[in-house]
Amino acid sequence: GENVEQHPSTLSVQEGDSAVIKCTYSDSASNYFPWYKQELGKGPQLIIDIRSNVGEKKDQRIAVTLNKTAKHFSLHITETQPEDSAVYFCAASINSNYQLIWGAGTKLIIKP
Amino acid sequence: SQTIHQWPATLVQPVGSPLSLECTVEGTSNPNLYWYRQAAGRGLQLLFYSVGIGQISSEVPQNLSASRPQDRQFILSSKKLLLSDSGFYLCAWSVVGITEAFFGQGTRLTVV
Repeated sequence: GENVEQHPSTLSVQEGDSAVIKCTYSDSASNYFPWYKQELGKGPQLIIDIRSNVGEKKDQRIAVTLNKTAKHFSLHITETQPEDSAVYFCAASINSNYQLIWGAGTKLIIKP
Repeated sequence: SQTIHQWPATLVQPVGSPLSLECTVEGTSNPNLYWYRQAAGRGLQLLFYSVGIGQISSEVPQNLSASRPQDRQFILSSKKLLLSDSGFYLCAWSVVGITEAFFGQGTRLTVV
């Protein structure tokens, strides 16, 4: 079955710098890759996603890149702000399936 | 618009007591429904999912059970709680055929 690995587990960056979180997946049939942000005490919220027919997607300060050959995808946050501090999860799935396979999460800390 | 309600937000229960957590979704029909558990500082563990009324699939053997008595209602139960059942429980829904998941606010369960 699918397996998703996420790195790093904790990432600390200076406010204004960029942050990059990386995930790898094992099942080449996976074609949907969302990223979720979870703030303390709340449920995760989708922030951006990408499908396998696209190599990159951007939404303001957030971007996701996908390398199907290498089976990895990354979340890029530019000009980080204190409110970006949270736990970020990547996931992967086959669109015909109803299950998301989750990475273990990355705790992002933005230092003032 | 669609909304998901999960309650209670926090719960402290003694070992051996029963559990009932409820989740309801509004604004959509025939959603896929999910129960996840998240241990402190850890990733998301899928416990149960349901693709229709009365249809429950379990991902891991455990002390918990789930039921879907109505189309947009998903209940997580236990007859006798264990200390190891403590955690953050999240309900989620998705549209059939689309894996993007929408999460509730979660229930913090502490078994004492």
